[in-house]
Amino acid sequence: KQEVTQIPAALSVPEGENLVLNCSFTDSAIYNLQWFRQDPGKGLTSLLLIQSSQREQTSGRLNASLDKSSGRSTLYIAASQPGDSATYLCAANTGGFKTIFGAGTRLFVKA
Amino acid sequence: EAGVAQSPRYKIIEKRQSVAFWCNPISGHATLYWYQQILGQGPKLLIQFQNNGVVDDSQLPKDRFSAERLKGVDSTLKIQPAKLEDSAVYLCASSFGNLYEQYFGPGTRLTVT
Repeated sequence: KQEVTQIPAALSVPEGENLVLNCSFTDSAIYNLQWFRQDPGKGLTSLLLIQSSQREQTSGRLNASLDKSSGRSTLYIAASQPGDSATYLCAANTGGFKTIFGAGTRLFVKA
Repeated sequence: EAGVAQSPRYKIIEKRQSVAFWCNPISGHATLYWYQQILGQGPKLLIQFQNNGVVDDSQLPKDRFSAERLKGVDSTLKIQPAKLEDSAVYLCASSFGNLYEQYFGPGTRLTVT
């Protein structure tokens, strides 16, 4: 059974800092992994999708990597800004086309 | 391009009452998902449709929850009767296909008293 874990559960950093969010999954047989952002009271906004054959994807200040053999994905945020404050969720699309989410990392960027 | 639409945005009901949620996916998206998100947790997949057929409903409490996607476009999720533990945000998402990027609607916040 696929399990997705995100550590840390919460993170507070000063503005301008580069940071890494972690996502671990127990079953390496995934089709893809997607990173989302969720603002309070809102739905999820897709940030990046990495296919199982890819190692990384980049969008602006965001870079996501995928290492299937170790069951890990990381989301790197460069030069963090207060507007980046949100909950970041990863989701693994696993066997049987089932999407499993982690519980998320709550990020607070201090001005 | 219009996003995923959901209604209502908020709903408060008493336990044992029934409630229905509506979702209109992005035009052309064949796959539609319903998720339940309890406060402080990640979304949990309840049911996934491919066009108007069910791909996965293994985590749907079928004794009280039902969902349909008529004509492979709009979808409704119903709870009857509701329990206190059903209080959550119900999210609808759609994608071009099973392995494509998922796009989410704003969600419906359900409170059961």
